[in-house]
Amino acid sequence: DAGITQSPRYKITETGRQVTLMCHQTWSHSYMFWYRQDLGHGLRLIYYSAAADITDKGEVPDGYVVSRSKTENFPLTLESATRSQTSVYFCASRPLLGSESHTQYFGPGTRLTVL
Amino acid sequence: AQSVSQHNHHVILSEAASLELGCNYSYGGTVNLFWYVQYPGQHLQLLLKYFSGDPLVKGIKGFEAEFIKSKFSFNLRKPSVQWSDTAEYFCAVNARTDSSYKLIFGSGTRLLVRP
Repeated sequence: DAGITQSPRYKITETGRQVTLMCHQTWSHSYMFWYRQDLGHGLRLIYYSAAADITDKGEVPDGYVVSRSKTENFPLTLESATRSQTSVYFCASRPLLGSESHTQYFGPGTRLTVL
Repeated sequence: AQSVSQHNHHVILSEAASLELGCNYSYGGTVNLFWYVQYPGQHLQLLLKYFSGDPLVKGIKGFEAEFIKSKFSFNLRKPSVQWSDTAEYFCAVNARTDSSYKLIFGSGTRLLVRP
């Protein structure tokens, strides 16, 4: 049971470059989320998706683009990376229904550095 | 707007000391409450959660939390900490925003347990 995986785990890029962070889950969870974690801010929601082809903005969406063509994948793209996007990015998922529908499960994170 | 406050940003304890981490939230509706733990270099793991019923919730690794509705609090406790409890702890509230539920995190508490 692979659960939820993220790739790459570490990424260094330069200002202005496009970067895509991958997230894959094997549970067929309806909901998927992208968060960024910064010191003093906890986790802040960037985007989320309720199902394939349904996405919505979170608290800090500017500079990011997401897509959800398949239920199991939820890539996050930084179209033109900036230094302020240096952060640790976590993907999470949860089911739509059932006793676990309010519990999110997190991936291992991607540490992104923008030079 | 909904928010979660963790008043202790850094806590340092000796092994066997008792732990209590504060968490207060602002949300007037029905809440689901969570504590997540992030060990150094790892992803977030669910420690415990409260949905309904007994306000004293027991989680993994000897942790427990008490939901006090009148105080809008969900404090995390452990009677005797171990060195391996060194980690960052996040309180989170699943609150209804717009047309969906979102997980709102506190800024985290870094716990250092000295052997």
